Amino acid sequence: DTGVSQDPRHKITKRGQNVTFRCDPISEHNRLYWYRQTLGQGPEFLTYFQNEAQLEKSRLLSDRFSAERPKGSFSTLEIQRTEQGDSAMYLCASSLGLNYGCTFGSGTRLTVV
Amino acid sequence: DQQVKQNSPSLSVQEGRISILNCDYTNSMFDYFLWYKKYPAEGPTFLISISSIKDKNEDGRFTVFLNKSAKHLSLHIVPSQPGDSAVYFCAASVPENTDKLIFGTGTRLQVFP
Repeated sequence: DTGVSQDPRHKITKRGQNVTFRCDPISEHNRLYWYRQTLGQGPEFLTYFQNEAQLEKSRLLSDRFSAERPKGSFSTLEIQRTEQGDSAMYLCASSLGLNYGCTFGSGTRLTVV
Repeated sequence: DQQVKQNSPSLSVQEGRISILNCDYTNSMFDYFLWYKKYPAEGPTFLISISSIKDKNEDGRFTVFLNKSAKHLSLHIVPSQPGDSAVYFCAASVPENTDKLIFGTGTRLQVFP
């Protein structure tokens, strides 16, 4: 297992288009998190899954955002009708929830033009 | 409101000397604190953590100190090495969800020869 994988690494899209990102967590980790990081800021929590259940969503996650984790394995984050303000690094992380810290992926950098 | 604050955006230290990175928080409900290191184009990497019931945790060259009365923690790196040059994020969590992290804005550490 090589850690948390995110695909794609970079995505450039036109405003108004839909985009989907994928995250493959560490296989034995039951918790999966999505964060967003903008320039000069730390990562901000978006949403959290325990197995396949989405247990919490930040108010940062507008109705245009949807996340899924079918079968409790990989997760997808979809943004509909993208806006320039959606441009950011989207980070996925996974953990066992044992206070050992999350393991982050390398992120997907989204640029909306 | 920024619940976790890193007031120094950057720090420059000579190789071999001590690096001290500081972090302040406002939420007294935080019970677990973590430091992450981030290199460009990579996700954050977990470095060291401390529970609120402790005041010090040490791991090799890295030591984290927690002062609960002052709501302040610091990361000491001794001796500093050029490979330590990165952005360091302080993060905190509450008991209900140990991996839902609230991050500071980061401090860029540069270690020069």
